[in-house]
Amino acid sequence: KQEVTQIPAALSVPEGENLVLNCSFTDSAIYNLQWFRQDPGKGLTSLLLIQSSQREQTSGRLNASLDKSSGRSTLYIAASQPGDSATYLCAVRSNTDKLIFGTGTRLQVFP
Amino acid sequence: ETGVTQTPRHLVMGMTNKKSLKCEQHLGHNAMYWYKQSAKKPLELMFVYSLEERVENNSVPSRFSPECPNSSHLFLHLHTLQPEDSALYLCASSQDAGWRADTQYFGPGTRLTVL
Repeated sequence: KQEVTQIPAALSVPEGENLVLNCSFTDSAIYNLQWFRQDPGKGLTSLLLIQSSQREQTSGRLNASLDKSSGRSTLYIAASQPGDSATYLCAVRSNTDKLIFGTGTRLQVFP
Repeated sequence: ETGVTQTPRHLVMGMTNKKSLKCEQHLGHNAMYWYKQSAKKPLELMFVYSLEERVENNSVPSRFSPECPNSSHLFLHLHTLQPEDSALYLCASSQDAGWRADTQYFGPGTRLTVL
């Protein structure tokens, strides 16, 4: 059974710092991995999707990497801003086509 | 604006009440989903509909009853719920169910409290 773990559960950093969020999964037989952002009172917004054949994806200040063989992904946020404060969720698409989510990392960036 | 709307945004109900959650997507998608998000737990997939037919029922208790009258609307009918059913219920849609490269678009959720 696929399990997705995200570390740390919460993170508080000053504005301007570069930071890394971690995601690990137990079954390397995945089709893709997605990073989502969830703001309080709002739904999830897809940030980056990495196919199993890819190593990384970039969008603006965000970079996500995937090491399928070791069951790990990282989300790198450069030059963090207060507007980046949110919960970040990692999800893998398993061989049953379901999205399996982690519990998320709650990020707070303070001025 | 994600293109997926949910009503109501907040709902408080007693264990004997009957209520319904509504989801509407304006993206022309063929698949719709219900998820449950409880505190400190990962999102749990509840139901998947593809072209108005239920293709996934993830061992959800019968006190949750989904309905998909057309590809743009999805309902979750609730009756005789338990306090542990209190959670954020999220609706999502995607172009097609089971298309592995496809991304899902989420609504803002309904925060449900069962007293």
